[in-house]
Amino acid sequence: AQSVTQLDSHVSVSEGTPVLLRCNYSSSYSPSLFWYVQHPNKGLQLLLKYTSAATLVKGINGFEAEFKKSETSFHLTKPSAHMSDAAEYFCVVSGYSTLTFGKGTMLLVSP
Amino acid sequence: DTEVTQTPKHLVMGMTNKKSLKCEQHMGHRAMYWYKQKAKKPPELMFVYSYEKLSINESVPSRFSPECPNSSLLNLHLHALQPEDSALYLCASSQPTSSDNEQFFGPGTRLTVL
Repeated sequence: AQSVTQLDSHVSVSEGTPVLLRCNYSSSYSPSLFWYVQHPNKGLQLLLKYTSAATLVKGINGFEAEFKKSETSFHLTKPSAHMSDAAEYFCVVSGYSTLTFGKGTMLLVSP
Repeated sequence: DTEVTQTPKHLVMGMTNKKSLKCEQHMGHRAMYWYKQKAKKPPELMFVYSYEKLSINESVPSRFSPECPNSSLLNLHLHALQPEDSALYLCASSQPTSSDNEQFFGPGTRLTVL
């Protein structure tokens, strides 16, 4: 069985400041982990994925995530937020044929 | 081509109507998925097709009827829906043999049931 916990339902930052979106996972085996972003009324876009290679994963639009097995975490970071980053972010763990989604974190970016 | 396309983008239907949602991909993926997403919630899996055969049905009511005519197409037939079925319906695809099950999502169909 597997599960995902996104620790914050909303995160508010100012433009130009760092972003941290937190995710903890539970899995009975070595998982694949993803971060997807969803802008309003749009589909899901893959930001980055971890698949047991490097523990620091770089994604699109300047986002990064670090896989920490000892902490069962996969937090998403970005050094400097842009207004266009405002969206819903989902942390996802992959099972054999299905995905388990976290509840999502809404990122709000103010000027 | 790394896109999943969905038509229509928006659909409004009455409770007695019959309509269909369509999804298409040309990435050679042999697994395709339907998800339902309510506002401010994560997507919920409805159906999985693997090699054009239904492999997972997450106890979805029979008023939703999926169909996979070929490896590139996935349909969702709708009949006698309820207002609570109003949601964003997302299609996704993946390669069943991939080690990580990365799924590629379409833009969704926004369904409103009156």
